[in-house]
Amino acid sequence: EDKVVQSPLSLVVHEGDTVTLNCSYEVTNFRSLLWYKQEKKAPTFLFMLTSSGIEKKSGRLSSILDKKELFSILNITATQTGDSAIYLCAVEQGAQKLVFGQGTRLTINP
Amino acid sequence: ETGVTQSPTHLIKTRGQQVTLRCSSQSGHNTVSWYQQALGQGPQFIFQYYREEENGRGNFPPRFSGLQFPNYSSELNVNALELDDSALYLCASSLGQGNSFGSGTRLTVV
Repeated sequence: EDKVVQSPLSLVVHEGDTVTLNCSYEVTNFRSLLWYKQEKKAPTFLFMLTSSGIEKKSGRLSSILDKKELFSILNITATQTGDSAIYLCAVEQGAQKLVFGQGTRLTINP
Repeated sequence: ETGVTQSPTHLIKTRGQQVTLRCSSQSGHNTVSWYQQALGQGPQFIFQYYREEENGRGNFPPRFSGLQFPNYSSELNVNALELDDSALYLCASSLGQGNSFGSGTRLTVV
């Protein structure tokens, strides 16, 4: 059965801390791995990863994929209260079907 | 703004009733997928439509059905509603690669 597992499920840190969110997967027909941020309703796109070992970076956020060990991490440095959200990891199978993990609820306290 | 619009935003239905949720895709996107996100969980794939034909289905019973129209807008229909159908229903449209999500419809079944 296809599955995506995220850890931790919940994380509370102080503003300015660095966090690492984990995503492991066992999915057939792997096409890409995506990270989304979900604050209220619509997940908003962060990164798409298709190749191992190549870090994607956007401001304070970065992500990397390991296709041999079947996992990805999302790093957020110098966290801000606006980073508080649910972070979703999803694996795209053929034909754009996404298999999501449970999400990590990140809370940044001032 | 993703260009994907869903209606209604909230809905309350009684167990046993039927419901229709609507999605207007981003302009030019010919593929639409529907996801169910229960509280505290990641989105689960319901089905996908490509050029008005069903193009993949997740582990949902036949009382979940859909339509895609020539303008690529879409409907999700759920018959014989059950309490466990209470969830956020997300629509995602795409053209080739990458998904744009709508803000979802929050369905409550009482």
